[in-house]
Amino acid sequence: AQSVSQHNHHVILSEAASLELGCNYSYGGTVNLFWYVQYPGQHLQLLLKYFSGDPLVKGIKGFEAEFIKSKFSFNLRKPSVQWSDTAEYFCAVNAPGNAGNMLTFGGGTRLMVKP
Amino acid sequence: DGGITQSPKYLFRKEGQNVTLSCEQNLNHDAMYWYRQDPGQGLRLIYYSQIVNDFQKGDIAEGYSVSREKKESFPLTVTSAQKNPTAFYLCASSTGGDSYNEQFFGPGTRLTVL
Repeated sequence: AQSVSQHNHHVILSEAASLELGCNYSYGGTVNLFWYVQYPGQHLQLLLKYFSGDPLVKGIKGFEAEFIKSKFSFNLRKPSVQWSDTAEYFCAVNAPGNAGNMLTFGGGTRLMVKP
Repeated sequence: DGGITQSPKYLFRKEGQNVTLSCEQNLNHDAMYWYRQDPGQGLRLIYYSQIVNDFQKGDIAEGYSVSREKKESFPLTVTSAQKNPTAFYLCASSTGGDSYNEQFFGPGTRLTVL
């Protein structure tokens, strides 16, 4: 069974600081990778996704993530965070061919950006 | 407006009672999912349904039941057999099929057992 690890449970940054959230997964085959974000009081929404091709993926709101196959990692980055980036971030993995196209989520990282 | 609605937003239940959480979507999606969200554990899949009148257990199905009588509706019942039901419950849907399609999430229901 696949699993996803997010090692940073809580991150506190000041505005304009750079962000990198770690995500590692355990699955030996081809995977689809995702980052979801949950802003306070809002729906969980897709930030970016990787299916194939360029391992550097750009998403909404200036976020990007890099797939490093040899490290089974898909870390999320943003060069300069804003107060509005305060949210909980979830990494997720889908293994193509799994029944139901299920997602396996990491435990989440709560980001607080201080103004 | 197209989307997924969940009701109620907050739900309180006494121990030993069953309770049903509603999930409705008007996106014409074939697949629907129920997740449970606990602090530090992310989202865990309870049940999913790829088509009407069919559903499958997820990773933590014990103490829960579902039905899928209509394409747009996928209610979740939290039974008294669920040992630790206090949690945030999220419903999602997708177009389904063999290849991965993005899952869209509802606003969630926070269940508290008193």
